[in-house]
Amino acid sequence: KNEVEQSPQNLTAQEGEFITINCSYSVGISALHWLQQHPGGGIVSLFMLSSGKKKHGRLIATINIQEKHSSLHITASHPRDSAVYICAAPWDTDKLIFGTGTRLQVFP
Amino acid sequence: KAGVTQTPRYLIKTRGQQVTLSCSPISGHRSVSWYQQTPGQGLQFLFEYFSETQRNKGNFPGRFSGRQFSNSRSEMNVSTLELGDSALYLCASSFLGANTGELFFGEGSRLTVL
Repeated sequence: KNEVEQSPQNLTAQEGEFITINCSYSVGISALHWLQQHPGGGIVSLFMLSSGKKKHGRLIATINIQEKHSSLHITASHPRDSAVYICAAPWDTDKLIFGTGTRLQVFP
Repeated sequence: KAGVTQTPRYLIKTRGQQVTLSCSPISGHRSVSWYQQTPGQGLQFLFEYFSETQRNKGNFPGRFSGRQFSNSRSEMNVSTLELGDSALYLCASSFLGANTGELFFGEGSRLTVL
């Protein structure tokens, strides 16, 4: 069983739809990262959060440390949001454990 | 502010050879971590360095090694290359480490082993 699990694995949406990606983890952590990877490989950090909620533009991330669950929401999705979204949990000393990723495709 | 720079971006090696990859972090960042990404295994943690000390290591054989210099630049080395080492190798820098701060990733070094 993976220590960090994401759902869904694949997601297709129409432009403008509200998107939710979920991440559950079994390790004890104090923070969680949400990453975005576009075709070609480059990874961009979207959020690092340890409690509550963070918002950046159309992206919102929430985390419940006690329930070991985090969600990434995209409001008013756009084709340029098409990418793989990955959650990652640091444990021990900065050892990141990654989820398997959610491949999102947004069609016009 | 310059981003994280990885070199080389692409390289092709044959089985049995060794390879050295370089990562220059963002100025002022003391933590550099390395990751391997393959289609089958996804992203996996290799090791993390902070102020020239390896703080953690993933579950990889001893053929994978790394080091960090006093200017925070880091290198990783893979000896006796195997076909399964073909992957995208990514490094990330942060001020204090993944537990406490945002990560900034390089574009990666894509290694093909023939």
